[in-house]
Amino acid sequence: GDSVTQMEGPVTLSEEACLTINCTYTATGYPSLFWYVQYPGEGLQLLLKATKADDKGSNKGFEATYRKETTSFHLEKGSVQVSDSAVYFCALSDQGNTPLVFGKGTRLSVIA
Amino acid sequence: KAGVTQTPRYLIKTRGQQVTLSCSPISGHRSVSWYQQTPGQGLQFLFEYFSETQRNKGNFPGRFSGRQFSNSRSEMNVSTLELGDSALYLCASGQQGPNTEAFFGQGTRLTVV
Repeated sequence: GDSVTQMEGPVTLSEEACLTINCTYTATGYPSLFWYVQYPGEGLQLLLKATKADDKGSNKGFEATYRKETTSFHLEKGSVQVSDSAVYFCALSDQGNTPLVFGKGTRLSVIA
Repeated sequence: KAGVTQTPRYLIKTRGQQVTLSCSPISGHRSVSWYQQTPGQGLQFLFEYFSETQRNKGNFPGRFSGRQFSNSRSEMNVSTLELGDSALYLCASGQQGPNTEAFFGQGTRLTVV
């Protein structure tokens, strides 16, 4: 079945450092790919998405490119802030009305 | 535009009891999905309802059930609670089904003692 694998956390960075969170997927069809973020005590919020190969999703300085050849969707940010501290989830939705499949999440802590 | 509303936010129940959680989706959204989030298992899909019909179901025992009303509001019920049911239960709504963007509520934190 479909699955998402993302790098284990936690990840601790200093403010203004570069961030990369790796995400790879396995899917039977041609999925849409998502990054969600969960701040403490809250539900998940969509951060960005991409629906076809070579699409780049971007939001709030975060970017991720849909790489079909490597089945990857790595999340990047050039300069993180303390306010970016949260748990980040990579997810996919395969064709048709199938539920979102999530990775296990990566906790990011940014220190001043 | 109001977001996804889940009630209650927090619940404490005793083993063996049952519980009902409620989710009001964003106006116009016909799909409602439920997820269980725990530190050990991460986010696990429970079920999805679309226009009052269960369209997808995850691998949970029959103690977990749900329903959706004509106004798209959804409830999930857990009977004969076990300690392992302690979790954050998240509801997500969408316009055309779960392969499009999902909007999540803040969740209901259930503690079973």
